[in-house]
Amino acid sequence: EIVLTQSPATLSLSPGERATLSCRASQSVSSYLAWYQQKPGQAPRLLIYDASNRATGITARFSGSGSGTDFTLTISSLDPEDFAVYYCQQRSNWPLTFGGGTKVEIK
Amino acid sequence: EVQLLESGGILVQPGGSLRLSCAASGFTFSSYVMSWVRQAPGKGLEWVSAISGSGGSTYYADSVKGRFTISRDNSKNTLYLQMNSLRAEDTAVYYCAKGRGVPTVMADFDYWGQGTLVTVSS
Repeated sequence: EIVLTQSPATLSLSPGERATLSCRASQSVSSYLAWYQQKPGQAPRLLIYDASNRATGITARFSGSGSGTDFTLTISSLDPEDFAVYYCQQRSNWPLTFGGGTKVEIK
Repeated sequence: EVQLLESGGILVQPGGSLRLSCAASGFTFSSYVMSWVRQAPGKGLEWVSAISGSGGSTYYADSVKGRFTISRDNSKNTLYLQMNSLRAEDTAVYYCAKGRGVPTVMADFDYWGQGTLVTVSS
């Protein structure tokens, strides 16, 4: 099983600041990595697929990069609506796996 | 507009059975991989099971293999999850998720339902 390790567990930032979230895979997943945002009481929402492609309707504030085992989700300037939990997910091997999540909270 | 509506979540005793349903609309259901993903209270996301568009291929997490069965009825645009031998650790919100249109059953998920809560407790 491919283990995805997200860091940090919690990121405390102010609106307008830049957020950098990391996802590290236990073995290469090529570019088959997605990022999701989840707000309390809501279903996850796809932000980025295949490491760097924004999903339909996702603002350019969100960008993804990386390949192999190291991936980054960047939020260029935090909007109040961006404070949430973010998960990465790999689709390179069975079973599909998610990272443990990074909570982006208001400082 | 894509819509996924789960139902069937209830309180069930350990060892019991339950069937979840997910009614889909707004897309050609039979053309897409579908999955179930669960989230225990206060925890992260865990992929549970996936099924190909035709229903001919199914995949399971080790934690549910042999106890859960995924299926679909493309004539009714509905996805199912039959859950047997339920355990306390199966307690979670279960989401139905549509696979993004990739040429493989190993997909990420571009639409999610609102989830249905399954509680396993005596």
